[in-house]
Amino acid sequence: GNSVTQMEGPVTLSEEAFLTINCTYTATGYPSLFWYVQYPGEGLQLLLKATKADDKGSNKGFEATYRKETTSFHLEKGSVQVSDSAVYFCALSDYNSGGSNYKLTFGKGTLLTVNP
Amino acid sequence: KAGVTQTPRYLIKTRGQQVTLSCSPISGHRSVSWYQQTPGQGLQFLFEYFSETQRNKGNFPGRFSGRQFSNSRSEMNVSTLELGDSALYLCASSLEGRDNYGYTFGSGTRLTVV
Repeated sequence: GNSVTQMEGPVTLSEEAFLTINCTYTATGYPSLFWYVQYPGEGLQLLLKATKADDKGSNKGFEATYRKETTSFHLEKGSVQVSDSAVYFCALSDYNSGGSNYKLTFGKGTLLTVNP
Repeated sequence: KAGVTQTPRYLIKTRGQQVTLSCSPISGHRSVSWYQQTPGQGLQFLFEYFSETQRNKGNFPGRFSGRQFSNSRSEMNVSTLELGDSALYLCASSLEGRDNYGYTFGSGTRLTVV
């Protein structure tokens, strides 16, 4: 079955530091890949997505590139802010590769804390 | 436009009781999915409904059930509650349940079973 593995947290950075959160996946075909963010006490918000190999998703300074050869979708940001402190989830959906599960498969989540 | 609305936000129930959670999707969205979030298991898929039909179900016992109404609102029910059912239950809506249209999540219902 499909699975997503992302780096264990927590990750603690100082403001303006560079962020990388690793994410790798196992799936048949060509899944769509997502990063979601969860702020304390809230639901999930879509941060960015990529639907085919070599696509780069970007939003609010965050970027991730769909790497088919390494089955990865690492999240990066050049300069983090205190307001970026949250839990980040990598996820996949197999609909576009012929799947009909109509669901997202999530990684365990990575807690990011950014200190001023 | 209004987002995904989940009610109630917080719930405390006693072991053995049953509970019903509600989700109102974004207007025009016909697909509603439910997820359970716990510290140990993370986010796990419960089920997905589209036009009142369950199209997919996760690996949860039969105590977990759901339904969708003609106006796309959805409810999930958990019977004979166990302590391990304590979790944040998240609902997500989308136009057709296909990822190209995106999934929008509600703020969740936090269920505590004592």
